[in-house]
Amino acid sequence: AQKITQTQPGMFVQEKEAVTLDCTYDTSDPSYGLFWYKQPSSGEMIFLIYQGSYDQQNATEGRYSLNFQKARKSANLVISASQLGDSAMYFCAMREGFGAGGTSYGKLTFGQGTILTVHP
Amino acid sequence: EAEVAQSPRYKITEKSQAVAFWCDPISGHATLYWYRQILGQGPELLVQFQDESVVDDSQLPKDRFSAERLKGVDSTLKIQPAELGDSAMYLCASSGTGFGVGANVLTFGAGSRLTVL
Repeated sequence: AQKITQTQPGMFVQEKEAVTLDCTYDTSDPSYGLFWYKQPSSGEMIFLIYQGSYDQQNATEGRYSLNFQKARKSANLVISASQLGDSAMYFCAMREGFGAGGTSYGKLTFGQGTILTVHP
Repeated sequence: EAEVAQSPRYKITEKSQAVAFWCDPISGHATLYWYRQILGQGPELLVQFQDESVVDDSQLPKDRFSAERLKGVDSTLKIQPAELGDSAMYLCASSGTGFGVGANVLTFGAGSRLTVL
């Protein structure tokens, strides 16, 4: 069963505008973490933002924010004020199996990704 | 800033040949991962180590792939013999232990891009 679903193969946005990349997930584990990574054409996976399942507030990191809707099992990434350098592949990922100490030893499961293109 | 080192960055080989990839995780990171990423898809876990022990190798094609992390530090992933379908990016990542975001985020290396002819 697909655990992470990204339904947008590609998205286009005008420079300086905001864009939302969708992600839904499926898990029966009450303790999990959700991650977004950026992969430019060079291939390196760059961590952007993290949301824990017990976090009360949505995560924010600079121009990135995570719209976490636990009941709907969605974790959409919002990029504000898009820049040309934001053009890349974006992956949503989930990690289950967090232990009592807060560390997870579970694997990171990725979605299929969304290609974002920022137009000048 | 601490990095995960991988080599080689690019490898071209002919099918039936042997190929090996090396990874050196961030110092102190006990957990090491090897992922395979086919072009246009998300990465898939091949093997996960906790120190020198294999935690998960359920998706590793064991008839041709092997991985080791003998001293619980750096790791080698080997393919023998390589097949056309093995052409992909091989990503190594590591993570620490403890509490909070820093311990649970996987830091990835630049990857090793394999082309099998």
